[in-house]
Amino acid sequence: DSGVTQTPKHLITATGQRVTLRCSPRSGDLSVYWYQQSLDQGLQFLIQYYNGEERAKGNILERFSAQQFPDLHSELNLSSLELGDSALYFCASSARDSSYNEQFFGPGTRLTVL
Amino acid sequence: AQSVSQHNHHVILSEAASLELGCNYSYGGTVNLFWYVQYPGQHLQLLLKYFSGDPLVKGIKGFEAEFIKSKFSFNLRKPSVQWSDTAEYFCAVNADSGYSTLTFGKGTMLLVSP
Repeated sequence: DSGVTQTPKHLITATGQRVTLRCSPRSGDLSVYWYQQSLDQGLQFLIQYYNGEERAKGNILERFSAQQFPDLHSELNLSSLELGDSALYFCASSARDSSYNEQFFGPGTRLTVL
Repeated sequence: AQSVSQHNHHVILSEAASLELGCNYSYGGTVNLFWYVQYPGQHLQLLLKYFSGDPLVKGIKGFEAEFIKSKFSFNLRKPSVQWSDTAEYFCAVNADSGYSTLTFGKGTMLLVSP
C-alpha cells in the first residue's frame, strides 16, 4: 500500500459522457501527478499540481482538466469521452516538487468507454 | 523533448537465469533515472534511482542498474531471477530542468517460469 488512494477502481461509461476521477495523496505530500496508461501509448504524464497550483502539463487533451483542492486531494475530469480514452489512469504523489522526491503511485482507475 | 525506449516488450526467463533489461533515453543534459516495477494487480513501486555519483546503483530485491552516460543507457540487471520477479518493469527519466515530471518507457513484461 503506497498511501495514495484513488476512486473509483473501475468506471464504465459511454461515449460523450463526463467522468471525474479522484486521488488522495499520501499524508503530507504536496505534489500530485496524473498519468494515463494505455496499451499503445504506454504510461504518459498528463498534468501535475503542487500545493493547489498547476505546475506542469504533459500530453493532456483539452477535453481533460484537473484541479487540486485545499485539502490536497485532486480530481481529474474527463469530458466528451471517446473510445480511445479507455485506459488506466494513475495518480502519484510526492512530498515536494522535485525529482529527488520519490513519486508514490496509487492503484489506478480503470476507465472503459463503450 | 525527452524520450525513453525500452528494447524488449516481453521477456521470458527460467528461474535462476540472469536478467538484463535495456533502457535508452534521449536527452543531452543532466538526467535523473529510475526503474519502477508493477507486480500483477499492484501499483507501481520504485526499484531504484540514479541522480549522481557511482553509476552502478543498487535497488531493492537484488536489482541493480548501470548508468552509461556515453550510451545514454540505464540498463536493469539481476544475477538470478525468481518466479516472484514476474512483473512489468518501467524505465523513467527526469531531465534536471526544474520540473519533477517523469517520462516513462513503454515497459517490459517479464515472465519468470518456475
